[in-house]
Amino acid sequence: AQTVTQSQPEMSVQEAETVTLSCTYDTSESNYYLFWYKQPPSRQMILVIRQEAYKQQNATENRFSVNFQKAAKSFSLKISDSQLGDTAMYFCAFILPNFGNEKLTFGTGTRLTIIP
Amino acid sequence: EAQVTQNPRYLITVTGKKLTVTCSQNMNHEYMSWYRQDPGLGLRQIYYSMNVEVTDKGDVPEGYKVSRKEKRNFPLILESPSPNQTSLYFCASKGSRLNTEAFFGQGTRLTVV
Repeated sequence: AQTVTQSQPEMSVQEAETVTLSCTYDTSESNYYLFWYKQPPSRQMILVIRQEAYKQQNATENRFSVNFQKAAKSFSLKISDSQLGDTAMYFCAFILPNFGNEKLTFGTGTRLTIIP
Repeated sequence: EAQVTQNPRYLITVTGKKLTVTCSQNMNHEYMSWYRQDPGLGLRQIYYSMNVEVTDKGDVPEGYKVSRKEKRNFPLILESPSPNQTSLYFCASKGSRLNTEAFFGQGTRLTVV
């Protein structure tokens, strides 16, 4: 079975600091895509960053970057210079190549609070 | 503006009273899906659709129905809601390419009493 594990249910950090959210996953496939989604109090699901498993280079999007370790099946998210607007629930997810169900498999989420 | 529209955003109903949550997308996406979000469980897929008239079960389909008569619409139907279906529901759509972004609706908070 494909699974995603986020071992940190809650985290908090001071504004302007750097924080890393961890994610591990389990799949026997070699080709897949990984995502981090942000869910602020508005409940909207917002894509933060994506990583293609066959690319060794870690993805970056402004203050957000990932550390993708394929052999270890690890996909952590680093938020630099954290801002109050980063306060949200963060979900790690992946999707497998499948000509049928293109299902996103989600972790249980990490609730991140940025402290002023 | 590319968007997925869900209605209603909030719904309180009683056990056994049939309800429908609507979902519409304006991006001409082939693939649409319903998820439910519960504390400590993340989001889990209920049903999905690859195209018009093609639907199939996801991980937690019991108690739900869907239909895809038009490409843009993918309603979620609860024929006889029960309290264990109290949850936050999301509709999502994406194009057919694997790595394209999935667009989510605003979510529907359903409470069944």
